[in-house]
Amino acid sequence: EAEVAQSPRYKITEKSQAVAFWCDPISGHATLYWYRQILGQGPELLVQFQDESVVDDSQLPKDRFSAERLKGVDSTLKIQPAELGDSAMYLCASSLAQGGLGLARKTQYFGPGTRLLVL
Amino acid sequence: AQSVSQHNHHVILSEAASLELGCNYSYGGTVNLFWYVQYPGQHLQLLLKYFSGDPLVKGIKGFEAEFIKSKFSFNLRKPSVQWSDTAEYFCAVNAHSGGGADGLTFGKGTHLIIQP
Repeated sequence: EAEVAQSPRYKITEKSQAVAFWCDPISGHATLYWYRQILGQGPELLVQFQDESVVDDSQLPKDRFSAERLKGVDSTLKIQPAELGDSAMYLCASSLAQGGLGLARKTQYFGPGTRLLVL
Repeated sequence: AQSVSQHNHHVILSEAASLELGCNYSYGGTVNLFWYVQYPGQHLQLLLKYFSGDPLVKGIKGFEAEFIKSKFSFNLRKPSVQWSDTAEYFCAVNAHSGGGADGLTFGKGTHLIIQP
């Protein structure tokens, strides 16, 4: 069964350092999402890509976060500089459109996540 | 913007008990509804989904959910839980937005503990 791959699985960094997370979606999935999950909360969307284009980055803190998907396949999420409050699980998800008009019938499949600890 | 409310943050049940986890969302238009489960040490997995049609949907491992449009609810049920159902359960919704934006809005989750 195809899965979303993420690396690293764990990352410890110091405040003000730069960190980067990588995601490889399920093959053929044109839509890719990055979510952040703070302990005890549900995931929150950071950014959505359709192929290489950003569809929604309204919740991405653009002063320190950036995301790219240059060739429309894998993606990188970067934080620079990291802050203590960035400690969280960073989840990547991908989906394949299932047709239909209006709201697409798309199921998002999640990767294992990268757990970030900022000291 | 839509929001999702899960009524119970922690639920403790004995094996064979019946389960119902509440989920309400706020959005007046067309929505897709999901329940995801996160077992200890594992990643989020889809339990079931509702796009349209029959409001009673069946998922994996004996779970089902009922979409009640008039109540903006999508409650998760299982008639008899097992110890292996111990996990975190998340209700999620997405709605049609401009430009194809369809990220999920999640509830805060319900931590379910099944006692043997």
